[in-house]
Amino acid sequence: KNEVEQSPQNLTAQEGEFITINCSYSVGISALHWLQQHPGGGIVSLFMLSSGKKKHGRLIATINIQEKHSSLHITASHPRDSAVYICAVYREYGNKLVFGAGTILRVKS
Amino acid sequence: DTEVTQTPKHLVMGMTNKKSLKCEQHMGHRAMYWYKQKAKKPPELMFVYSYEKLSINESVPSRFSPECPNSSLLNLHLHALQPEDSALYLCASSPLGRERNTIYFGEGSWLTVV
Repeated sequence: KNEVEQSPQNLTAQEGEFITINCSYSVGISALHWLQQHPGGGIVSLFMLSSGKKKHGRLIATINIQEKHSSLHITASHPRDSAVYICAVYREYGNKLVFGAGTILRVKS
Repeated sequence: DTEVTQTPKHLVMGMTNKKSLKCEQHMGHRAMYWYKQKAKKPPELMFVYSYEKLSINESVPSRFSPECPNSSLLNLHLHALQPEDSALYLCASSPLGRERNTIYFGEGSWLTVV
């Protein structure tokens, strides 16, 4: 079993829909990242979380440390949100990121 | 400046060629990373440099040779690669110490081995 599990693997939404991507992990962590990767290749860290909730524009990320679960929400989705979203965690000790398999999001206009 | 710059963006090389990928950051980060990413897969860690010293080698074949000449630069030297080494190679950097959990990725270098 992977240490970081994401769902769904693929998601297609209509423009304007509310989107949720989930991430569960099985190890103690010091931080969790939500990463975005467009087809061009580069990866951007959208959020780094160690507790609670963060919001940036239409994006919201939450984490529940006790339940080892995090969610990424996109409100009023737009075609430019189409990308791969990857959950990645830093184990409690060490400086290696452990990646989930990613969620391929396509937002149709 | 929160950029990690990678060059070249695209590289095609033959199996007998020697080439290098370059990565540069000016954020003062003392940890730098090479990742390999195949299509539709998450990145796989290859190497980690901490304070310009190799701290992690994830059992990468010796045809990949990393180098960290100073705290801003990271190279990946390539020699006698195989077609299955074709992938996106990502460089990343992060601070060490209290801010160590932040990470910045470059745009990647697309490598094709023919």
